[in-house]
Amino acid sequence: GNSVTQMEGPVTLSEEAFLTINCTYTATGYPSLFWYVQYPGEGLQLLLKATKADDKGSNKGFEATYRKETTSFHLEKGSVQVSDSAVYFCALSLSGSARQLTFGSGTQLTVLP
Amino acid sequence: EAEVAQSPRYKITEKSQAVAFWCDPISGHATLYWYRQILGQGPELLVQFQDESVVDDSQLPKDRFSAERLKGVDSTLKIQPAELGDSAMYLCASSASGGPYEQYFGPGTRLTVT
Repeated sequence: GNSVTQMEGPVTLSEEAFLTINCTYTATGYPSLFWYVQYPGEGLQLLLKATKADDKGSNKGFEATYRKETTSFHLEKGSVQVSDSAVYFCALSLSGSARQLTFGSGTQLTVLP
Repeated sequence: EAEVAQSPRYKITEKSQAVAFWCDPISGHATLYWYRQILGQGPELLVQFQDESVVDDSQLPKDRFSAERLKGVDSTLKIQPAELGDSAMYLCASSASGGPYEQYFGPGTRLTVT
């Protein structure tokens, strides 16, 4: 079946530190890959996406590259801010009529001033 | 900017009672999803609609959960009777029929069953 594995948290960083959150996937077929962010008490917001191998998604200083050879989609940011504190979810969806999202378990990020 | 609306935002109910959640997707989005998110975990799909038709409800506990989208616009998810294990965040999402298929999520309904 399809699955997403994220590095376990929580992750605590100081402001301006470099962030990496690892994500690997297993899928039958060629999925689209996503990173969603969830702030406390809120729903999920799409952060970035990539739809084919070697695509790089980017938004708000965050980046992730779709690596088919390693089945990975690691999230990176060069300099985190306190406002980046949230839970980050990696997810995949397959083509076809369903296109439902399969999520990882989430990684809690806390950035300290 | 168009958003997915959900109500109520919070619901506390007693075990064995009935509870209902409402979702209004982004206008024009034909696909609607209901997810359940248990604390500390990622969301899991309960049911997916394409217009008014169910595309996938394989993970919906049909003995107590029901979902409808009668006119292909807004949707209601019902639980009857609620159990303690149903305490979770219920998220609604919608997407357009054509690409690029991003799903847009509402703020969710936090359900607590006592």
